[in-house]
Amino acid sequence: NAGVTQTPKFQVLKTGQSMTLQCAQDMNHEYMSWYRQDPGMGLRLIHYSVGAGITDQGEVPNGYNVSRSTTEDFPLRLLSAAPSQTSVYFCASSPTLTGLGSGNTIYFGEGSWLTVV
Amino acid sequence: KQEVTQIPAALSVPEGENLVLNCSFTDSAIYNLQWFRQDPGKGLTSLLLIQSSQREQTSGRLNASLDKSSGRSTLYIAASQPGDSATYLCAVGSQGGSEKLVFGKGTKLTVNP
Repeated sequence: NAGVTQTPKFQVLKTGQSMTLQCAQDMNHEYMSWYRQDPGMGLRLIHYSVGAGITDQGEVPNGYNVSRSTTEDFPLRLLSAAPSQTSVYFCASSPTLTGLGSGNTIYFGEGSWLTVV
Repeated sequence: KQEVTQIPAALSVPEGENLVLNCSFTDSAIYNLQWFRQDPGKGLTSLLLIQSSQREQTSGRLNASLDKSSGRSTLYIAASQPGDSATYLCAVGSQGGSEKLVFGKGTKLTVNP
């Protein structure tokens, strides 16, 4: 059971380049999300998905695109990288939403460090 | 908009000391509250989850409490050890159509041998 796997671990991009951060989970979780973590800002939600074929925006969605074609995978695409997107990106999954009565916790990947120069 | 604040931002204690980390949130309409641990260069590990109907949860030397009416939670760590050194993050899951976790900025804990 690998949990939540993110690739790549480290990446350097030039301004204007595009790339995809991969996220895969093997726990058959419905709910997946992407966060970015910046010094002094904490973790902020970028996009999330409540199931295959369903995605929605979080707090800071601009410049990012997601899709959810399978339960297992939730890639995050940077369309045209900017220095402001230099950050650590975390993918997370959980069995259900953080809804009323949910006792299910959320599992995080180990992070992807992205630098845009 | 839900806002989560953690105080202090950093804490240094000698080994063996009992300590309390604080978390406050502005909107009391929450589903649950979670405490996470983050080690340098690593992802987040969930420590305790308190549902909105609960007052506290315990796991080993950790005890987390929740007071929705006052918008506060505390994480109590008993008999701290150097291995407890990490950043501790609080996050709330809110109602009102939001399926998102809102995180505090964390408390960086250092336990000195």
